[in-house]
Amino acid sequence: EIVLTQSPATLSLSPGERATLSCRASQSVDSYLAWYQQKPGQAPRLLIYDASNRATGIPARFSGSGSGTDFTLTISSLEPEDFAIYYCQQRSYRPHLFTFGPGTKVDIK
Amino acid sequence: EVQLVESGGGLVQPGRSLRLSCTASGFTFGDYAMSWVRQAPGKGPEWVGFIRSKAFDGTAEYAASVKGRFTISRDDSKYIAYLQMNSLKSEDTAIYYCSRVTRGSTNHYYFMDVWGKGTTVTVSS
Repeated sequence: EIVLTQSPATLSLSPGERATLSCRASQSVDSYLAWYQQKPGQAPRLLIYDASNRATGIPARFSGSGSGTDFTLTISSLEPEDFAIYYCQQRSYRPHLFTFGPGTKVDIK
Repeated sequence: EVQLVESGGGLVQPGRSLRLSCTASGFTFGDYAMSWVRQAPGKGPEWVGFIRSKAFDGTAEYAASVKGRFTISRDDSKYIAYLQMNSLKSEDTAIYYCSRVTRGSTNHYYFMDVWGKGTTVTVSS
């Protein structure tokens, strides 16, 4: 079973600063990794798929990189609406399941 | 507008059953696999299960925590996916989200690009 770990658990930053979030897989997932943003009281929203492709309507300040086991989500300059929890996610076949990481909370410093 | 709307949540006693519905609009429902994801209070998302499109035999897969108790089905003519939950436990208490499973540039279907707002299930006596 592939396990996703995310670091740090919490990232305290100010608006305008750069945020760098990490997701590590226990085995290679090639580039099949997605990132989601979740705000309180809302469903997760797809940000990035295939490790580096922005979903429709996602601002360019969000970027993803990595392949294999190590992935990064970068927010180049934090806007007030970016303070949220971010999850990475992958799918494996043996066993068959979809897995989310534990999340990184980006909060206001 | 592409949209998913969940319904059917509520308060239910342990051991009882509940059926959730996910009504889709704005896209050709039958072309997509659909997934259910839940989120317990204060926790991260947990995948519950998904059902393939008929083009990929329409079968379902489940998380170990619900296998044998939950069943996912779909009615493509009505644009609805269902989550039948039996033998409910207190640990099934969560917001249940329906989501659309899709792919990027390859044939690997693994991420969820459309989500509903969720429906709350509370299992308590």
